[in-house]
Amino acid sequence: AQSVTQLDSQVPVFEEAPVELRCNYSSSVSVYLFWYVQYPNQGLQLLLKYLSGSTLVKGINGFEAEFNKSQTSFHLRKPSVHISDTAEYFCAVTASGAGSYQLTFGKGTKLSVIP
Amino acid sequence: EAGVTQFPSHSVIEKGQTVTLRCDPISGHDNLYWYRRVMGKEIKFLLHFVKESKQDESGMPNNRFLAERTGGTYSTLKVQPAELEDSGVYFCASSQWGLALDTQYFGPGTRLTVL
Repeated sequence: AQSVTQLDSQVPVFEEAPVELRCNYSSSVSVYLFWYVQYPNQGLQLLLKYLSGSTLVKGINGFEAEFNKSQTSFHLRKPSVHISDTAEYFCAVTASGAGSYQLTFGKGTKLSVIP
Repeated sequence: EAGVTQFPSHSVIEKGQTVTLRCDPISGHDNLYWYRRVMGKEIKFLLHFVKESKQDESGMPNNRFLAERTGGTYSTLKVQPAELEDSGVYFCASSQWGLALDTQYFGPGTRLTVL
């Protein structure tokens, strides 16, 4: 079984400042890692995913995340945030082997961008 | 191309009543997932359909929940009878290939309130 911990439930940040949203996971098997974003009144949208290869993954809207196997982390970063980045962000994992493809989510981090 | 759609967007019912949620996946997606987010908690997996068959229903909380997927197209999730603890947001997602690395596309969710 897998578990995901998002250490910060809320992150306020000023516009044009950098941001890092933290995600740690636990799993006894290899995993794939995902970051989803939910804008108000919308469904979850995939930002980026790590499957294999380069540990630095670039996603949409200027976001990137770095997979760190030794620290079992997959932190999300953006060098300069905009008002439109205000949303809730979810880190998720799934086992990479055959079997169930269910996503295991963290509790989410609400990012508030302050003008 | 239309995304995943869910109906209704909101439902308010009394304890003991029955509610049916509907999900229409992206056309051509054989894989359909249901998830639920209870307030303040993480999004949790309920079940996974491949076409009309239940691939994994390990997340279904109890036998008051019944999911169907007629003809491998749309899916319904019935809660009968509803209890207070069933309140939350129910998300549906679909994917094309049914692989762990496949992107799951989420609908906007149905917010269920049981009074």
